[in-house]
Amino acid sequence: SAVISQKPSRDICQRGTSLTIQCQVDSQVTMMFWYRQQPGQSLTLIATANQGSEATYESGFVIDKFPISRPNLTFSTLTVSNMSPEDSSIYLCSVPAYGANEKLFFGSGTQLSVL
Amino acid sequence: GENVEQHPSTLSVQEGDSAVIKCTYSDSASNYFPWYKQELGKGPQLIIDIRSNVGEKKDQRIAVTLNKTAKHFSLHITETQPEDSAVYFCAANRDSGYALNFGKGTSLLVTP
Repeated sequence: SAVISQKPSRDICQRGTSLTIQCQVDSQVTMMFWYRQQPGQSLTLIATANQGSEATYESGFVIDKFPISRPNLTFSTLTVSNMSPEDSSIYLCSVPAYGANEKLFFGSGTQLSVL
Repeated sequence: GENVEQHPSTLSVQEGDSAVIKCTYSDSASNYFPWYKQELGKGPQLIIDIRSNVGEKKDQRIAVTLNKTAKHFSLHITETQPEDSAVYFCAANRDSGYALNFGKGTSLLVTP
């Protein structure tokens, strides 16, 4: 399995500000996924980050609110922009296993609270 | 969108008993069904998965069954231990691809 490091692990932010979450993987991966887990809820895919092209966003998520960077095959960032309390969630980075793309592994997540 | 329904939402069992969690999916193109365990403050951990060309898969105390005709799949944990206490999520891939649709989760409590 891949080793996935997410930073920060948690943060408390004021509404109207932005937070950038980093995801570092110990191996090169073609695709990286960003998920959101609202309090007590399931996981929802925000977008797929592809190296060398723009991220692909799911319905209900837009680039202006959740800009994503993917500068290389081991790193990605997700920014939560102009935050409101409704953005309080766990944000998770996920990557497919090497040689078994269907198997997804998750980082430990970023617990975001917006006041 | 395509849904994955998961039941029950909470489950309490005594140590040593079995636990069963059931899921249904609606996307006929789904062909991969993983199960994740999430402990408090941690990311989801893949514990077992099954592909649509297999009806059952077992790994020590956990097993997964799939009924593709009925679009049902289940997680079975035998001889439960307190450390099995966690939230379990089922998922199904979308359009035979990498994106996963998750169930709402089952909070399992194993009491000594």
